[in-house]
Amino acid sequence: GNSVTQMEGPVTLSEEAFLTINCTYTATGYPSLFWYVQYPGEGLQLLLKATKADDKGSNKGFEATYRKETTSFHLEKGSVQVSDSAVYFCALGNQGGKLIFGQGTELSVKP
Amino acid sequence: NAGVTQTPKFRILKIGQSMTLQCTQDMNHNYMYWYRQDPGMGLKLIYYSVGAGITDKGEVPNGYNVSRSTTEDFPLRLELAAPSQTSVYFCASRDGASLEQYFGPGTRLTVT
Repeated sequence: GNSVTQMEGPVTLSEEAFLTINCTYTATGYPSLFWYVQYPGEGLQLLLKATKADDKGSNKGFEATYRKETTSFHLEKGSVQVSDSAVYFCALGNQGGKLIFGQGTELSVKP
Repeated sequence: NAGVTQTPKFRILKIGQSMTLQCTQDMNHNYMYWYRQDPGMGLKLIYYSVGAGITDKGEVPNGYNVSRSTTEDFPLRLELAAPSQTSVYFCASRDGASLEQYFGPGTRLTVT
């Protein structure tokens, strides 16, 4: 079946550090891939997405590339800010229209 | 355009009580979803709907019921609340053209 695995958190970084959050998936067919972000006390917001292999999603300085050969969709940002502190969820969207979420990775950025 | 709204924001229930979590969207989306989020566990799908009058079970439907009488509303009913239902509940919706889902702010439920 479909599944998503993310690196465990919490991840603690200093401001302006480089961020990578790993995400790998198992799926049949050709899923779409998403990163959602959840700020404290709020619901999930779409951060970026990619709908086919080799697509790169980007938003607010974050990027992720859909790698079919390694079944990965790692999230990266070159220089994190304190305001990026949140929980990040990788998700897979299948042909049935449902989203399968990873367990979430908490990011804490210190000044 | 308010998007997806949920009420209440917080609720404490005693074991065995019942309640309805409300969800409304104003984007004319056909698809709606209910998830629960437990600490460190990601989101699990409880029920979903592909349009008014049509609902189906997700991954963890036991102890819950839903109805979809209109496109806008998708209430989640808890009967006989149990401590295992302590969680944060999120409602989401999407249109038919994209897999992207739009989430409400959540309802934090505690059953004691």
